[in-house]
Amino acid sequence: SAVISQKPSRDICQRGTSLTIQCQVDSQVTMMFWYRQQPGQSLTLIATANQGSEATYESGFVIDKFPISRPNLTFSTLTVSNMSPEDSSIYLCSVGGGTLDQPQHFGDGTRLSIL
Amino acid sequence: DAKTTQPTSMDCAEGRAANLPCNHSTISGNEYVYWYRQIHSQGPQYIIHGLKNNETNEMASLIITEDRKSSTLILPHATLRDTAVYYCIVSPGGTSYGKLTFGQGTILTVHP
Repeated sequence: SAVISQKPSRDICQRGTSLTIQCQVDSQVTMMFWYRQQPGQSLTLIATANQGSEATYESGFVIDKFPISRPNLTFSTLTVSNMSPEDSSIYLCSVGGGTLDQPQHFGDGTRLSIL
Repeated sequence: DAKTTQPTSMDCAEGRAANLPCNHSTISGNEYVYWYRQIHSQGPQYIIHGLKNNETNEMASLIITEDRKSSTLILPHATLRDTAVYYCIVSPGGTSYGKLTFGQGTILTVHP
């Protein structure tokens, strides 16, 4: 399976600032996804990062708050903008699942705390 | 998208088999059942998946009922390191292709 690296692994940020999270994969992948896991909760899909086009956002998530880039088939970034304490979460990227018979694989996430 | 129902928590003795059930009564004919687990402070780890037939790999076995409305993940010899949250997910197709919906999962605690 693909090796997925996320940077940073954790960060503590001040409210009102923005942070960009990077997701690097060791092989070309068609599909990349970004998830959020709030404290004590399960994972929620934020958006699908499409190479060469705009990301597709799920209900409750907007591009102004979570801009996403996908410049090539091995890399994506998620920015958490104008952060507030409610944005304190783990942010995870996943890759793969190109067909229904292919599993997605996840990075270990970025643990973000907003003061 | 097909929803899944899992028990909130389960216990298992170390060395014994852990059998984790999942109901997915609204699953469609071409949708797969996937199992992931999440150990504290890590991203979800893929375990196994299946469509109709029972599946086995080095980590676990997956038993899917004939009507496909439920399945059971079996960890044959649970260890303390298997303590985790286990998620049963139906892989959606169509416009929801690739978009996994995680429920609350089953917290499996393996005790000595």
